[in-house]
Amino acid sequence: ETGVTQSPTHLIKTRGQQVTLRCSSQSGHNTVSWYQQALGQGPQFIFQYYREEENGRGNFPPRFSGLQFPNYSSELNVNALELDDSALYLCASTEAEFTDTQYFGPGTRLTVL
Amino acid sequence: GENVEQHPSTLSVQEGDSAVIKCTYSDSASNYFPWYKQELGKGPQLIIDIRSNVGEKKDQRIAVTLNKTAKHFSLHITETQPEDSAVYFCAASWDYGGATNKLIFGTGTLLAVQP
Repeated sequence: ETGVTQSPTHLIKTRGQQVTLRCSSQSGHNTVSWYQQALGQGPQFIFQYYREEENGRGNFPPRFSGLQFPNYSSELNVNALELDDSALYLCASTEAEFTDTQYFGPGTRLTVL
Repeated sequence: GENVEQHPSTLSVQEGDSAVIKCTYSDSASNYFPWYKQELGKGPQLIIDIRSNVGEKKDQRIAVTLNKTAKHFSLHITETQPEDSAVYFCAASWDYGGATNKLIFGTGTLLAVQP
């Protein structure tokens, strides 16, 4: 186990709704990255948070947004859900000053109907 | 653009045989190459990684090799066991200005080890 936890494990939403996913990083890790993994594909980088600031973003629209809290836990928010947002959402944490190694949580499976 | 190609997409081996998975990356600035194992219903688990200043790294039955000139890197698993069955992802990253490198993943290899 990596020590990275995510909630909820899975959820079902309908098109147009909004969703919030949560990630608790490994103790001591100040950087959280979020990835989207569609079925049968590799994870794709959404964005990264470092010390509560967004610190890099992939090719995702603004309706994907996030937060990082003082304890370094993080949220991913997705507005106006689309069918193509159905995927496994993964967060990964690291201690950026010391290593490149990222440790992934178990993911949240989002289904949009 | 940033791209990582991974082959094969599926690989079936007999228990005890070796397995090799190959990846090619597009950006010559890539400097960090991790390999992840993902079991059904779980998140990716780091199994080994290598940096661009090293050509080969080994950890028990697992080894990774890197050819920077050809922009290739490979995962080698020896003496495979049924519990090695999973999806394996390679990834490449480089310093894009963020706090830590973003990972660009390959499309994955489904490894099946037949007892």
